[in-house]
Amino acid sequence: GAGVSQSPRYKVAKRGQDVALRCDPISGHVSLFWYQQALGQGPEFLTYFQNEAQLDKSGLPSDRFFAERPEGSVSTLKIQRTQQEDSAVYLCASSPGTGSNQPQHFGDGTRLSIL
Amino acid sequence: GQQLNQSPQSMFIQEGEDVSMNCTSSSIFNTWLWYKQDPGEGPVLLIALYKAGELTSNGRLTAQFGITRKDSFLNISASIPSDVGIYFCAGQMGRNDMRFGAGTRLTVKP
Repeated sequence: GAGVSQSPRYKVAKRGQDVALRCDPISGHVSLFWYQQALGQGPEFLTYFQNEAQLDKSGLPSDRFFAERPEGSVSTLKIQRTQQEDSAVYLCASSPGTGSNQPQHFGDGTRLSIL
Repeated sequence: GQQLNQSPQSMFIQEGEDVSMNCTSSSIFNTWLWYKQDPGEGPVLLIALYKAGELTSNGRLTAQFGITRKDSFLNISASIPSDVGIYFCAGQMGRNDMRFGAGTRLTVKP
C-alpha cells in the first residue's frame, strides 16, 4: 500500500538484547517521527527527522535509544541492552512537509515485548 | 508524560446517541488534531484544526479549536457500532512538537 509501513509488527526479546525497528515512510515525505505508546496511553514523541537530519531527539528516554535515517527515506530505531520498561508499541509517522499544518500519517506500529 | 487532559476516559453509549469529548491544556497550541485508533493499528487522523475558534466537520464528526488555544472538543453525532475505538486529541505547537492526550475509549452498544 501507500501508507507508512513498519516491521516487524511484533518483536519479543530477552532483557539485555538489542533490537532494531524499521519504518518505511510514505514515498516523498520529508518529515519522519518516532513515538512510544505505553499500554493505555497516548503516543509520546521520541525523535524527529527532516530528510536525513535528526533535528530533535529530545524524547529519547536514554542513550540506549538510537535512531537513524541515512538516506532520508527508511528509518531505523535501535534499542540497546533492552529493559522491561522498554515494552511498548513503537509508532512511526511521516508528513509531506515541515510545517505544523502538515498532518502526520501513522504506521500500525511495532509491539515490543521484553521478557 | 501526557501534557493534555482528555475526558472522559471512557464512554459507554447506545447506538444512535451523540458523543462529546474534550481536551484541555495548560499550554497553548497552534494546531489541534483528533485521531482514532483501533486495536493493533496506528492512529488515523479524523480532523485537524489550525485557527483559534475554528469549527470543522467531517461527516458525523465536528471539532472545535478553543479561542484560548488551550482546548478542543470533538462531537460525534448519531453513533454507529464502527465508531468504537480510542479517540486521541493532540496539540501541536511547532513542526515536530505534537503532544497527545491519554485517549477516550468509546464503546457503542447496538
